[in-house]
Amino acid sequence: KNQVEQSPQSLIILEGKNCTLQCNYTVSPFSNLRWYKQDTGRGPVSLTIMTFSENTKSNGRYTATLDADTKQSSLHITASQLSDSASYICVVSSLTSGTYKYIFGTGTRLKVLA
Amino acid sequence: DSGVTQTPKHLITATGQRVTLRCSPRSGDLSVYWYQQSLDQGLQFLIQYYNGEERAKGNILERFSAQQFPDLHSELNLSSLELGDSALYFCASSALRQEQFFGPGTRLTVL
Repeated sequence: KNQVEQSPQSLIILEGKNCTLQCNYTVSPFSNLRWYKQDTGRGPVSLTIMTFSENTKSNGRYTATLDADTKQSSLHITASQLSDSASYICVVSSLTSGTYKYIFGTGTRLKVLA
Repeated sequence: DSGVTQTPKHLITATGQRVTLRCSPRSGDLSVYWYQQSLDQGLQFLIQYYNGEERAKGNILERFSAQQFPDLHSELNLSSLELGDSALYFCASSALRQEQFFGPGTRLTVL
């Protein structure tokens, strides 16, 4: 069964600290993996997208890694800011017979405190 | 601003009713996706259209239907509404096989 699991479910850190969010997937065949940031009540915004051959992708203070062998991805946030408080969603897409499927994780809710 | 627009922003209706949510994709994007996000739940993929044709189907109920028009805007129709249908409904658009850009969502409340 195609699944995407994220951990932790929620996380509280102090401003300025780093954190790492995890995403494990069992999606096959794998096409790509995206990390989204979703502020409360708003639409998700793409942070990174990685294909099978990419190990690391950065977007400012956000760095995503992908290990296609172990089917794991992580999102590392450096020097966190209050504005990083949001839900972070991992999405894996799969292409079968010309049709894409998008499997969403339930997200990690991050709270950054001053 | 993602360039994807959704109307209305908020919708309050009663059980058993039917509503239509509208989405205008980014200029040039041929794909439109619909998602449902219930309170404190993850995003659930409902359906995708590409240039007017259904391309992928997710966990969409039979009471729900969608279509994409020649001008590429899309509508999601929800009928025989139940309390459990209260949620945020997001539309996203993309160029083929590219990043999805999400709209601001429509918050549906069923009383």
